[in-house]
Amino acid sequence: AQSVTQLDSQVPVFEEAPVELRCNYSSSVSVYLFWYVQYPNQGLQLLLKYLSGSTLVKGINGFEAEFNKSQTSFHLRKPSVHISDTAEYFCAVRGGAQKLVFGQGTRLTINP
Amino acid sequence: SQTIHQWPATLVQPVGSPLSLECTVEGTSNPNLYWYRQAAGRGLQLLFYSVGIGQISSEVPQNLSASRPQDRQFILSSKKLLLSDSGFYLCAWRKTPTWGANSPLHFGNGTRLTVT
Repeated sequence: AQSVTQLDSQVPVFEEAPVELRCNYSSSVSVYLFWYVQYPNQGLQLLLKYLSGSTLVKGINGFEAEFNKSQTSFHLRKPSVHISDTAEYFCAVRGGAQKLVFGQGTRLTINP
Repeated sequence: SQTIHQWPATLVQPVGSPLSLECTVEGTSNPNLYWYRQAAGRGLQLLFYSVGIGQISSEVPQNLSASRPQDRQFILSSKKLLLSDSGFYLCAWRKTPTWGANSPLHFGNGTRLTVT
């Protein structure tokens, strides 16, 4: 079965500092990975996805993620965060032909 | 372009009352449709998904049911709400695998349900 573990439930950082949100996955099928962002009281918005090809994936809002097959990881990074990046971030893996399996989420808090 | 509408945005219902949440998608045909629940401080739990009209797959046993009476309409229902049904309910769609096996999910803005 497919599963996702987000290693940090909360990550506080200062504005303009770099950030890494960690995600490890388990999958017995072809690996397709996603990061989503959720702002308060809203639905989820796709940040980026890895389907195949280059292991470094660039997304919206200056985020990027690196697929590491040997470590079964897909960590999300941003070199310099802004107050507006405060949100909850979800890592997801394809869970079969029709489904995505989500991690528990990481709450990113940006302090001025 | 495709859009997804979900309503109501917030709902407060007493225990034992019925529930009906509606979700519609525009700008696409034969989408896969999904209902997720997000309880406070927890991740997303897949409740139901549908690959076509009248086709519903349930992921977890619970007090809820889903129906898809039309191609782009997905309804989440309950006959009698429980306190534990409180949460943030999200509808989502994606292109069917024949069009895009790796296509991501697109989410609505959610319904916050409080059962009192």
